[in-house]
Amino acid sequence: DTAVSQTPKYLVTQMGNDKSIKCEQNLGHDTMYWYKQDSKKFLKIMFSYNNKELIINETVPNRFSPKSPDKAHLNLHINSLELGDSAVYFCASSQISRDHEQYFGPGTRLTVT
Amino acid sequence: QKEVEQNSGPLSVPEGAIASLNCTYSDRGSQSFFWYRQYSGKSPELIMSIYSNGDKEDGRFTAQLNKASQYVSLLIRDSQPSDSATYLCAVRAEGSYIPTFGRGTSLIVHP
Repeated sequence: DTAVSQTPKYLVTQMGNDKSIKCEQNLGHDTMYWYKQDSKKFLKIMFSYNNKELIINETVPNRFSPKSPDKAHLNLHINSLELGDSAVYFCASSQISRDHEQYFGPGTRLTVT
Repeated sequence: QKEVEQNSGPLSVPEGAIASLNCTYSDRGSQSFFWYRQYSGKSPELIMSIYSNGDKEDGRFTAQLNKASQYVSLLIRDSQPSDSATYLCAVRAEGSYIPTFGRGTSLIVHP
C-alpha cells in the first residue's frame, strides 16, 4: 500500500517543453507539498497546499504551477522547461493532527536536455 | 530568515559506536523538530520527532532537544552499516505548517 505516490519516476525532456508530475496520497492527510532537491541535496520547498490555502515559495518561477483537483492529489505543471530545472522533485503530505510530520513520495528525477 | 544548520560531514563511525548528529536553528519560535533519514537515491523518511526539551528514545535512536540553546541532536546507538545515509533535520515554527530543512549530515558507518 503506497502512501504517497508520484508518476513518472523518471522524466527526460528537452528545453522548452511543458511537463506534469502527478502526486497522490492515500493517507487522508490535509496538507500536501512539492519540494525540489538539487544536486547538492538541499530540499527546497516549492509549494504547500492546505485545503483552501496555497502557499507559494516566492523564489519559484511562475513557470511552475501546482494543481489540486482534490485533497488527495497535488500535481505539478512546469512550462518552458530549462536546464536548471533538472533535479529530483518530491511530493509530500502531512496531517495537522499529527503535527505535520511529513511523508514523502519516491521522487521524480527530471532531466532537461 | 529561518535557518537550520547541520554539519555536512561525512561523519564516519565504526560499527557498534554511537553516532551523534547535531542541528542548530535560528527561530526561537520553533516548536516542532524532526529527523529524516535519506538513503542515496531514495526519498526522506521520518525517523523521529520531538517537541519538548529533553530526550526522546525510540529503539536505537534518541533525539535530544534544548530550546534555550536552539539545538537538537540525534544519537544512534550501536550504529550499523545500514544506518549509512544522509540525516536531515527539519524545524517547524509555531503557526506554520511548512518546516525548514537543514542541508543534512552524511553518516558513514564502516564495518
